[in-house]
Amino acid sequence: AQSVSQHNHHVILSEAASLELGCNYSYGGTVNLFWYVQYPGQHLQLLLKYFSGDPLVKGIKGFEAEFIKSKFSFNLRKPSVQWSDTAEYFCAVNKKNTGFQKLVFGTGTRLLVSP
Amino acid sequence: DTEVTQTPKHLVMGMTNKKSLKCEQHMGHRAMYWYKQKAKKPPELMFVYSYEKLSINESVPSRFSPECPNSSLLNLHLHALQPEDSALYLCASSEGRGPGATDTQYFGPGTRLTVL
Repeated sequence: AQSVSQHNHHVILSEAASLELGCNYSYGGTVNLFWYVQYPGQHLQLLLKYFSGDPLVKGIKGFEAEFIKSKFSFNLRKPSVQWSDTAEYFCAVNKKNTGFQKLVFGTGTRLLVSP
Repeated sequence: DTEVTQTPKHLVMGMTNKKSLKCEQHMGHRAMYWYKQKAKKPPELMFVYSYEKLSINESVPSRFSPECPNSSLLNLHLHALQPEDSALYLCASSEGRGPGATDTQYFGPGTRLTVL
């Protein structure tokens, strides 16, 4: 079965530190990849997505992610975090060329940025 | 505008009650989804509707009954729920362009359901 792993469950950083959150998926076929963010008390928002093309994708709020096909990974990065980045981050994957978009989410990473 | 709205925001119900959750989008999307998110867990897909037809049912118990009356609305009817059904219920929508499509799902704020 398709699965998505996020190995960092909790991350604590100081403002201005660099961030990298890991995401690995198990599906061997062609996939679409997403990172969503859930700020405290708010709904899931799309940070960025990868469908094809340049494996380095840029999203909102200075986030970027790199798709490394050989490693089945789609890690999220930000060079300098802010206190407002405190949130839960979910990686999600769905298979291309399936009828409907069944998103499978990773277990999430809670990021706490201290001022 | 990428807004999906859900009502109510909070719902408390007894195990014998019947209630409904509502979801609405006006982006012209033709695929709509229900997810369940337990505390400190990721969202889990329950149902997918495409062009108002149920496309995916992820083996959800029959006490949850989805309905898609038109392309903008999605309901989730609840009956005889159990306390373990307490969770955040999320609605999402996407363009729904079919196989090979590069759909992106946009999520509503959710309904926080408590079953007593």
